[in-house]
Parts: sequence; structure tokens; C-alpha cells
Amino acid sequence: EPEVTQTPSHQVTQMGQEVILRCVPISNHLYFYWYRQILGQKVEFLVSFYNNEISEKSEIFDDQFSVERPDGSNFTLKIRSTKLEDSAMYFCASSPRDMNTEAFFGQGTRLTVV
Amino acid sequence: AQSVTQLDSQVPVFEEAPVELRCNYSSSVSVYLFWYVQYPNQGLQLLLKYLSGSTLVKGINGFEAEFNKSQTSFHLRKPSVHISDTAEYFCAVRGWGKLQFGAGTQVVVTP
Repeated sequence: EPEVTQTPSHQVTQMGQEVILRCVPISNHLYFYWYRQILGQKVEFLVSFYNNEISEKSEIFDDQFSVERPDGSNFTLKIRSTKLEDSAMYFCASSPRDMNTEAFFGQGTRLTVV
Repeated sequence: AQSVTQLDSQVPVFEEAPVELRCNYSSSVSVYLFWYVQYPNQGLQLLLKYLSGSTLVKGINGFEAEFNKSQTSFHLRKPSVHISDTAEYFCAVRGWGKLQFGAGTQVVVTP
């Protein structure tokens, strides 16, 4: 069964460093998303991506964040200069349409900023 | 814009007892409703979804939910829980675009 895959499963980085979280969405899906879950808190929307551009972003998704689909299969989230408060589980999701269907989630990348 | 409210942050329940997790939503457009489960240290797994049609939807692991448009609710139920149902449960709503999640309900099943 097709699935969304994320790498790495766990990333530890020093404050101020850049990190890139990688995702391979399901191959025939057109809509891609990043969500964040700070430990013990709710799942928060970060950004949605369609047709090689951001279609929606939340207030969390500031200039420190960027997304890219560099090669038609990967979908990446870059955090330019990490802060302690960026420590969270980051989930990638993909969907064949932007409505009337679920989003399929990866297993997540746990980012720890020290 | 949509929003989701999960009324219970934690629900303790004994094994083999029934459980109901409450979810209410608000939206200015037609929505699609979902329940996801997150087992400890794992990702998000879809339990069930309401897209259209019958308001009673059945999902995996014996869970079901009922869409009530007049009460804007989508409560999740299971008639008899197992220890393995211990997890966080998230209600989510989707209109156009992103999924909006509720705050989650932690279900703790004890023997």
C-alpha cells in the first residue's frame, strides 16, 4: 500500500543551525502539507503546497521556514535558523485532492533543538 | 474558516467498557470530518471519515462515528475498548484545503 515516508525519524540539531526535513509523498498525490506537533500539544498546520507553490500557510510559518519540491518526488521543509521552540514532531502529509478526501500522513520526524 | 473542539482532554476507561469521544466543529462551508489516532511515539493513522452519505460511519478497530449536522458534532464511539486502544484521538475537519485538528483526547484504558 502506498505511504508517505519521512526521513530522518529523529534529528537533533544545535540552536541556530539549519535543518531540512524530507518527505516522499504518495506518488499520484498533488497536494502536500506540513504539520507540527509540539510534545503533548495539538497538531498544527504549517503549510500547504500545490502546483509548485505555497497555497496556504499559517502564522507559524514565518520567514525561517521554507518548502520545496526539488525533484518531483521529494517534498522538503527547511528551517533556516532553528530555535529551541522549534523542537517538535513534524508530519508531512499528501492528498490527491484538496477536499473530500483524507490526508495521508507520514510517521513524522522528531526534531530536537539543543 | 473551520474550527474543531474536542470537549474532553482525557478519558479514562476500563477495559471492555464503552467509550465516547466528543467532537464539535464549526464551519461556514460544507465540511468533511475525520478521526485520526496516534499511538504512543507513532504517527497519525486514519480511523474513519465522513465525506457524504450515511451519517453513521464505521472505521477500523471497531470504532464508529455519527455525523450530526444540526448539532455540528462528529462523536466517536466504541462499544468495548481494549488495552491496545490507549492512544491520543484527534478529530479533524476539512473544507477546502488543509485539515484542521482538534486538541486531541487522550484515552487511557485500564484493566
